[in-house]
Formats: sequence, C-alpha cells, structure tokens
Amino acid sequence: QSALTQPASVSGSPGQSITLSCTGTSSDIGGYNYVSWYQHHPGRAPKLMIYKVNNRPSGVSNRFSGSKSGNTASLTISGLQAEDEADYYCTSYTTSSTPVLFGGGTKVTVL
Amino acid sequence: EVRLVESGGGLIQPGGSLRLSCAASEFTVSSSYMSWVRQAPGKGLEWVSIIYSDGNTYYADSVKGRFTISRDDSKNTLYLQMNNLRAEDTAVYFCARFRNLGVTQGMDVWGQGTTVTVSS
Repeated sequence: QSALTQPASVSGSPGQSITLSCTGTSSDIGGYNYVSWYQHHPGRAPKLMIYKVNNRPSGVSNRFSGSKSGNTASLTISGLQAEDEADYYCTSYTTSSTPVLFGGGTKVTVL
Repeated sequence: EVRLVESGGGLIQPGGSLRLSCAASEFTVSSSYMSWVRQAPGKGLEWVSIIYSDGNTYYADSVKGRFTISRDDSKNTLYLQMNNLRAEDTAVYFCARFRNLGVTQGMDVWGQGTTVTVSS
C-alpha cells in the first residue's frame, strides 16, 4: 500500500496560480479516472474539492480545477487567496488490496 | 442537514480497546459507502477502513486484524472497534461518507473528528 506522492509544500502570492501534483501508478491514478482532492484546514473537517479527476462538488469555487496525465494528477488553484492556505490531499481508487489510496499531503502557503 | 457526528474518543492505555461511533443524519448509512480516516499529530490524513453498502469491509495494513468497522442500521450509526491499541494509533479519527453511493467519487460528508490518545 504505497501512498500517492505529493510535494510537501507549494507556495504562491495572492492572485497567482499554483499547481499541486499527485503521482501514483498504473494501478491507481493511471488506471482510473477516480482521483479526488481534499482541502484540510487544521482543526476542521476535510472538504472535498474535486472528484473524478476534474469535477467540482456544488459550492466549490471554480478557482479549483483538476486534471490528469498518465500516472500523475494535478490540482490547480487560480487567483490564490489567503483562505486557500491549507493542506491538500489527493486520493485515488486502486486495485490493490484496499480500494482507497491517500497522498501524503501538500501544504499550501499564501505568501 | 446531512451530518456526521463522531464520539467515543479518549485516553486509553496501550493494549486497550475503544469503540468509536459516528451518528448520521439525513441520509442512510446502510445505503452508503462509509470510511474512517485518521490524522496523527503532525502527520497527514491516513485512510483506515471502509464498509460498502453490501457489507464488504477493507482495512489499511496498519490496522488489519485489530480494528473492525461495522454499522447499526437501526441506529443509522457507523462504528470502529479498535483493539490492541498502540501509541501509533494516537490520532484524530474522522468518519466520512462517499458521495453517490460508490467508492469512486470522493468523500463529501465528514464528521468533526474524535481524538484518540494511546498512552500509559
């Protein structure tokens, strides 16, 4: 059960765009369009931001977008705002012994 | 309002047992795919277990054989029975619902978390 690989941190200035990556294998990200992204502010419940690679749940800002290429999924945050500062986690469906795989998380800092 | 409320956390000695509960409102647990996710101090989110609507269950290797996920349909509540607890199980435990009655579309409803501390 190897975790999906995410960079530990990404930073950007207000108004900029940043992209977070999430790398897996052909057994998870590469094999299925079932990548989700979560935003987690410390002390609060995680929030689903993207599902099925590039779909936003109702109420999620269109500044958040997802994509995938091969075994790597990406989350782009456009027009970065102070409230976007949080930890972001990717997950994927997988054909391994367990159906859910988490990434290690990326801390987004708004400079 | 669709909601999940966890309870049952606390301080427990190594080797002890604890049962976490997750009460659901405005949706049916038995028709949903439900998961437990935890976050140890200073660490990232870690998936722990899932129960499908058909009753199938899966566990992370780190808890397999020690934790059991279950549900009580009459109480519309999800549980996590944790046995033989270790210091590394210390974490905030969240319960969550997968959207659209499947495991592929992400977890759209989360509880606020309950804290488990394993220490002597």
